[in-house]
Amino acid sequence: QVQLQESGPGLVRPSETLSLTCSISGGSISSYYWTWLRQPPGKGLEWIGSIFYTGSANYNPSLKNPVTISVDTSQNQFSLNLRSVTAADTAVYYCARGTPGLYSPLGFWGQGMLVTVSS
Amino acid sequence: DIVMTQSPATLSASPGERVTLSCRASQSIGNSLAWYQQKPGQAPRLLISDASTRATGIPLRFSGSGSGTEFTLTISSLQSEDFVVYYCQQYDHWPPHRFGQGTKLEIK
Repeated sequence: QVQLQESGPGLVRPSETLSLTCSISGGSISSYYWTWLRQPPGKGLEWIGSIFYTGSANYNPSLKNPVTISVDTSQNQFSLNLRSVTAADTAVYYCARGTPGLYSPLGFWGQGMLVTVSS
Repeated sequence: DIVMTQSPATLSASPGERVTLSCRASQSIGNSLAWYQQKPGQAPRLLISDASTRATGIPLRFSGSGSGTEFTLTISSLQSEDFVVYYCQQYDHWPPHRFGQGTKLEIK
């Protein structure tokens, strides 16, 4: 059973970069797309982007911040960098995986990590 | 971009009742529709994929139907743990993971 775990700072200052890592256990990073989503407090779910294990990434064009998702197959993990954050980027950040393919339901989720943007 | 609209935003019901939650897509998505349940403080849990296929371990009281632009999630007999938030998600059009705004199921 695949398990996902987000890690990183829980507090980021405005204008800085939010960096999170998702560690994968119980399965290989290979052959799947890996996804980041977020959920502001009391609000709905927003897709940030997804990356294939080869490194090919797709991002939500609605995001105002520059975003990069990268993959480290040797460590079985993938990462999110969201630059120039503001208070509006305060949210619970989730990593997730679906079936093979970019367009898929998301059957595996990390527990989520609250990241607060504040000075 | 495709827009997913859930209704109602809040649904009041009693334990044991049968309820139906709705999700509408702004354009046809075939059967590429998933339903998730989210309990407070937890990640969403996949209930239904491909509009009507229950995920592993999901109780039989949860069922999904629909195709094209109109979809429903039915809970046949509400249990206390079902009074949480439900989201639909399309995975047919760009962007690949677009969610509805959610329906909160509350105890009447």
